[in-house]
Amino acid sequence: SQTIHQWPATLVQPVGSPLSLECTVEGTSNPNLYWYRQAAGRGLQLLFYSVGIGQISSEVPQNLSASRPQDRQFILSSKKLLLSDSGFYLCAWSAGQGYNSPLHFGNGTRLTVT
Amino acid sequence: DQQVKQNSPSLSVQEGRISILNCDYTNSMFDYFLWYKKYPAEGPTFLISISSIKDKNEDGRFTVFLNKSAKHLSLHIVPSQPGDSAVYFCAASSQGTYKYIFGTGTRLKVLA
Repeated sequence: SQTIHQWPATLVQPVGSPLSLECTVEGTSNPNLYWYRQAAGRGLQLLFYSVGIGQISSEVPQNLSASRPQDRQFILSSKKLLLSDSGFYLCAWSAGQGYNSPLHFGNGTRLTVT
Repeated sequence: DQQVKQNSPSLSVQEGRISILNCDYTNSMFDYFLWYKKYPAEGPTFLISISSIKDKNEDGRFTVFLNKSAKHLSLHIVPSQPGDSAVYFCAASSQGTYKYIFGTGTRLKVLA
């Protein structure tokens, strides 16, 4: 069966520090991968998605970047965190065919920028 | 531009009764719709989906209805249970875009 791992579960970082969140998927190949963010009291905002190694689509211009160095690995990064980057970050995957395939989420990372 | 809207931020229902959660969308290109359940500090869990070629899909206590002309979908939970208390998100996607757009969520509270 497929599983998705996301870490760390919680993170407190000072403003201006770098960020690296990692996500890996097991039990499937060629998945589509996604990063979402849920700000306090808000919905799920799509940040980045990738349909293949090295391919990244950005949905919202901001202080973050994403990379996909391996088929089942997706990384969210920032060089310098802002207070507004605080939130609940979720990694997700869907089957590589993409169409009519549900998203499956990891357990999320609670990021607090102080 | 909020393409997927959940206009009710919260809903309270008595245990055993029906819960109806609503969702509206504006993009007529959406052709695949999903419902998720989310507990605090956890990732959303997929519940049920429906493609635009259908108007109803049922899975146990959960039924999703799609009204394409009204650009509206709803999730019915019957009977509601206290464990159903969570935030419910609807989402939509369109073929070839790979993107899933989510609503802002509805917090359901099932009262024992």
